[in-house]
Amino acid sequence: ETGVTQSPTHLIKTRGQQVTLRCSSQSGHNTVSWYQQALGQGPQFIFQYYREEENGRGNFPPRFSGLQFPNYSSELNVNALELDDSALYLCASSLDRDSTQYFGPGTRLTVL
Amino acid sequence: ELKVEQNPLFLSMQEGKNYTIYCNYSTTSDRLYWYRQDPGKSLESLFVLLSNGAVKQEGRLMASLDTKARLSTLHITAAVHDLSATYFCAVDRTGTASKLTFGTGTRLQVTL
Repeated sequence: ETGVTQSPTHLIKTRGQQVTLRCSSQSGHNTVSWYQQALGQGPQFIFQYYREEENGRGNFPPRFSGLQFPNYSSELNVNALELDDSALYLCASSLDRDSTQYFGPGTRLTVL
Repeated sequence: ELKVEQNPLFLSMQEGKNYTIYCNYSTTSDRLYWYRQDPGKSLESLFVLLSNGAVKQEGRLMASLDTKARLSTLHITAAVHDLSATYFCAVDRTGTASKLTFGTGTRLQVTL
């Protein structure tokens, strides 16, 4: 059984660009949640996808968007990147909406 | 809005000593989690506490939950250098998109 995987590991972008981060959920899990962790802080909830539909969103602007595919993998898209978007982005999968979440290794995004 | 606070934010302790990290949360929650994070790495799940009075132990770490006081503790017994990391508590509420709300984190440094 494979765990949660994320790609890429690291990414460097410039202000105004767009980025797509990817997450493969653990086998059998139909729910994916995304979190942003700025340096020195705790992770902040961005949104959750359950069976391909958004199932809750945190306090993030619309330029943060997501997608979940039929195989339950997921993408996080961020448009018009800002310097403050520099962070570790964590994906977590769970068996369903209310189950324990298991975190992937994260993608480190740097915006210059 | 659910808020989670941890203290202390930073803890330096000598090997062999005991100490406790505290986690307070503001509203009723269904589950409380403790995670460990090493620098630049993802979150490693340590404990899930589900009910009032729950106590779980793994090695030198013991976690407890008092839902009436909205307080969880992570007790470290006879600390060793390998326990140096940042520890987060997180709470969630089922039926509300099950997002995790994290505390500020406690950075633990165990010195020889």
